Amino acid sequence: AQSVTQPDIHITVSEGASLELRCNYSYGATPYLFWYVQSPGQGLQLLLKYFSGDTLVQGIKGFEAEFKRSQSSFNLRKPSVHWSDAAEYFCAVGGTGTASKLTFGTGTRLQVTL
Amino acid sequence: NAGVTQTPKFQVLKTGQSMTLQCAQDMNHEYMSWYRQDPGMGLRLIHYSVGAGITDQGEVPNGYNVSRSTTEDFPLRLLSAAPSQTSVYFCASRSIATNEKLFFGSGTQLSVL
Repeated sequence: AQSVTQPDIHITVSEGASLELRCNYSYGATPYLFWYVQSPGQGLQLLLKYFSGDTLVQGIKGFEAEFKRSQSSFNLRKPSVHWSDAAEYFCAVGGTGTASKLTFGTGTRLQVTL
Repeated sequence: NAGVTQTPKFQVLKTGQSMTLQCAQDMNHEYMSWYRQDPGMGLRLIHYSVGAGITDQGEVPNGYNVSRSTTEDFPLRLLSAAPSQTSVYFCASRSIATNEKLFFGSGTQLSVL
């Protein structure tokens, strides 16, 4: 069965500092990997996705993520965090099939201090 | 372009009551799904559909029914609400052809007393 682990429930960083959110996945074949962000009271917005090719993918809002097959990881990074980045971040894994289901991690809540 | 529309945004039920959460999308997506979001548990898949007339169970289907009579609509029914169904519910859809990403609605916050 596919699964996602986000080991950090809550992270606090200072504005301007760098950020790395961890994500480890379990999937039996080549995975599709996603990072979503959720602001309070809102739905989920896609930050970036990895399907194949270059293992370093760029997303919106200055985020990037690196796929490491050997470590089953897909960590999200940002060089300099802005106060508006405070939100909850979800990593998700899915497959290529028509009925492929997306499995989410439990999320990491990011707090940004000024 | 409205995307994925969920109604209502908020709902309070008493134990044993029934209700239907509505979800509609205008992107002609074949795949539609329902998730529930609970603190510390992320999003868990309830039911999904890959087209009109086709539905299947996800990770936590008990207590919920779905049907898909049209491409656009995918209602979620609670036949006899229980306090354990207090949650935030999200509908999401995607194209099967591209399998690019899920488009999410803004959610329904449900409280069962």
